[in-house]
Amino acid sequence: GAVVSQHPSRVICKSGTSVKIECRSLDFQATTMFWYRQFPKQSLMLMATSNEGSKATYEQGVEKDKFLINHASLTLSTLTVTSAHPEDSSFYICSAEEYRGSSNQPQHFGDGTRLSIL
Amino acid sequence: GENVEQHPSTLSVQEGDSAVIKCTYSDSASNYFPWYKQELGKGPQLIIDIRSNVGEKKDQRIAVTLNKTAKHFSLHITETQPEDSAVYFCAASRGGNNRLAFGKGNQVVVIP
Repeated sequence: GAVVSQHPSRVICKSGTSVKIECRSLDFQATTMFWYRQFPKQSLMLMATSNEGSKATYEQGVEKDKFLINHASLTLSTLTVTSAHPEDSSFYICSAEEYRGSSNQPQHFGDGTRLSIL
Repeated sequence: GENVEQHPSTLSVQEGDSAVIKCTYSDSASNYFPWYKQELGKGPQLIIDIRSNVGEKKDQRIAVTLNKTAKHFSLHITETQPEDSAVYFCAASRGGNNRLAFGKGNQVVVIP
């Protein structure tokens, strides 16, 4: 149980392209999803917290107009990297909090999206 | 905010031996401590977690201990196998919006 599917797993595109990444909780409802960015051999850096039906909360230094987040249902959140540039190349990972009626429930991660901007 | 420190950064063990990774945290209000295993090119996988109302939790070859007074928690892997080779991350959260503060990760290498 508690499977999170992230798609696509790999994207290679030209500079200026917008890229959409999907994160789905397959067998549970997730009122809260999180988006992280990870550089090689480094830890996970939280970009934003996404709550179903409301605006995402972005971490300091993360451009909300650059990284658009939509959480339209209890099982789907999307991250759109707008007008991507080479410096946006990274490993993007989503996680979903398994809702059980109280706070501090496990976060389950997707397998990440490797984004490469040429 | 919460600061999680993780030691050592790299750990090599012989197959069959035990591996221990330690983490310290700064926020005494943190009450949830998960451990994740990340294999190359994949997302982190939750392997075990512990809440502040218990001091130890075990799941087969994996155990986690928590010392709230000293603000540190440890992951113990017994009878290590080559498939245990991965990067392990500890994290801490104080509830509310459940934002996790991650350690920097520990590369565990199990030598056959």
